[in-house]
Amino acid sequence: GAVVSQHPSRVICKSGTSVKIECRSLDFQATTMFWYRQFPKQSLMLMATSNEGSKATYEQGVEKDKFLINHASLTLSTLTVTSAHPEDSSFYICSARGPGSSYEQYFGPGTRLTVT
Amino acid sequence: KNEVEQSPQNLTAQEGEFITINCSYSVGISALHWLQQHPGGGIVSLFMLSSGKKKHGRLIATINIQEKHSSLHITASHPRDSAVYICAVHPGGSEKLVFGKGTKLTVNP
Repeated sequence: GAVVSQHPSRVICKSGTSVKIECRSLDFQATTMFWYRQFPKQSLMLMATSNEGSKATYEQGVEKDKFLINHASLTLSTLTVTSAHPEDSSFYICSARGPGSSYEQYFGPGTRLTVT
Repeated sequence: KNEVEQSPQNLTAQEGEFITINCSYSVGISALHWLQQHPGGGIVSLFMLSSGKKKHGRLIATINIQEKHSSLHITASHPRDSAVYICAVHPGGSEKLVFGKGTKLTVNP
């Protein structure tokens, strides 16, 4: 149980276009999901906390107008990278707070974004 | 200084060896995670602990809250254990995670 999926797993897009990444909790409801970014050989960095039915909370330095987060249902959160630039190329991972402890998190498999 | 420090950064072992990866943190925490990240990038949660010790198969995780230190042990290591192992903590009562930089483990046959 407690499986989180992400789609797509890999995406290549042209500079200036927008890309949407989906994060789904497959067998549990997740009122809270987290979006992370990981640059090569770096640790994960939290971008934002996504709460179902309310606005996301962004970490300092993360542009909310560039990284649009929508958590429209208890099983789906989306991250849209708007007007993508090559420096947005990264590995994006989501996690969902588990149904048990508030410290339990289940991670998605990640999405590799390459902006050309 | 990173809030979460891991050592070593890189570790190479022979199959069958006992492995220890260390994690030290500088803030009070509610819980600590050990995560495994394979070359493809996906992350698997190995343990979440807030005290004592947990064991799952060949993996053992311990934490000493007073010393702000945790260890991950792998017994009878195998090449399939090769991955990056990441320590992450929940500072205070926060749901957010703060990550260490990871330890890259390579187990040679």
